Amino acid sequence: DGGITQSPKYLFRKEGQNVTLSCEQNLNHDAMYWYRQDPGQGLRLIYYSQIVNDFQKGDIAEGYSVSREKKESFPLTVTSAQKNPTAFYLCASSLSAQETQYFGPGTRLLVL
Amino acid sequence: GIQVEQSPPDLILQEGANSTLRCNFSDSVNNLQWFHQNPWGQLINLFYIPSGTKQNGRLSATTVATERYSLLYISSSQTTDSGVYFCAAAYRGQNFVFGPGTRLSVLP
Repeated sequence: DGGITQSPKYLFRKEGQNVTLSCEQNLNHDAMYWYRQDPGQGLRLIYYSQIVNDFQKGDIAEGYSVSREKKESFPLTVTSAQKNPTAFYLCASSLSAQETQYFGPGTRLLVL
Repeated sequence: GIQVEQSPPDLILQEGANSTLRCNFSDSVNNLQWFHQNPWGQLINLFYIPSGTKQNGRLSATTVATERYSLLYISSSQTTDSGVYFCAAAYRGQNFVFGPGTRLSVLP
């Protein structure tokens, strides 16, 4: 089946720890995105990538890092510099920038 | 950047009722999407509708970009329509900006 997968579904982070969220797509899409959603809020863009080996900061990139070494993969690292990481993280992809976006099931990150 | 507002923030309906959700944006856009987020958090794309009207079953959407709004119509609502509805708007060459959402509860 074609689609977007995210893992893990739930992730627990200790203080001072870096954690990496996985996002994989087999839709052959060029563009991929990471969003953060806080309870009762809309989505805010963290990072996006329009092509392999290139990515750009979104509106709330501080404390996060990404890589795009393969077309199908766009992992997000939440670093210890992100002081309030508890949120729901959503990955999306689209054929190209500004096309219809398709979302993965999300990862819930909690700080212990 | 673009500001996106949605109304109403919350909506409670009896099953079978019709509803209209509104999305206003602060400037002309050339791209607009509507999404439904189910209670488990999954976002499903409903419409990609930069202008005009589209229909898909009981759902339809209309965007009037020159007047800076889009409407999502839900007819004969069902309990499975419950969740949060988001619109997202973008200028050409820029990223989509999401609105705060409308939380819909459909009661049996």
